[in-house]
Amino acid sequence: DTAVSQTPKYLVTQMGNDKSIKCEQNLGHDTMYWYKQDSKKFLKIMFSYNNKELIINETVPNRFSPKSPDKAHLNLHINSLELGDSAVYFCASSRGGWAYEQYFGPGTRLTVT
Amino acid sequence: GENVEQHPSTLSVQEGDSAVIKCTYSDSASNYFPWYKQELGKGPQLIIDIRSNVGEKKDQRIAVTLNKTAKHFSLHITETQPEDSAVYFCAASINTGNQFYFGTGTSLTVIP
Repeated sequence: DTAVSQTPKYLVTQMGNDKSIKCEQNLGHDTMYWYKQDSKKFLKIMFSYNNKELIINETVPNRFSPKSPDKAHLNLHINSLELGDSAVYFCASSRGGWAYEQYFGPGTRLTVT
Repeated sequence: GENVEQHPSTLSVQEGDSAVIKCTYSDSASNYFPWYKQELGKGPQLIIDIRSNVGEKKDQRIAVTLNKTAKHFSLHITETQPEDSAVYFCAASINTGNQFYFGTGTSLTVIP
């Protein structure tokens, strides 16, 4: 069974479009995250979310918004896509927040043309 | 905020040799230090972690050491094997805060 899954694995789209990436975890964790990994492999936290609190990295443009329909899902919506949004996006989850192991999904490679 | 520096950015070793990756952090309140391994095309995976009340932790061929005074921690891989080739990330976080920072990554290549 896949612990953290993401769809789609690849996403190619044009500038200005709106897209979503879905994430699901079956680990029963209460905290989920979204990361962006750029072409130099730098990993940057975008959001963390549990059923009580959304923490947003202040450097993330407000075109990005996480949406959680329930505890097992945290989807990422991106409006008005830009070339600079091209990256690999990883979803992750943990059982208790930052000081616990994070389980990562396989990633979604987003290419904006 | 926290600043995590990681060195070297690339590392090549012969199979069977040891590999050492070092990280420094800036915030003395940081108290959790995990190491993640990312294989090509996959998400990062935790390989070992250490908390601030411990100076060293070992798991088979992997060990991590922490020097709180100097604010640095290191990953040691002994008897390296080709399957150890990957990108390794250190990280630091503060238990009670909402802060988690990855280092810049080290691309390790083990030459058979």
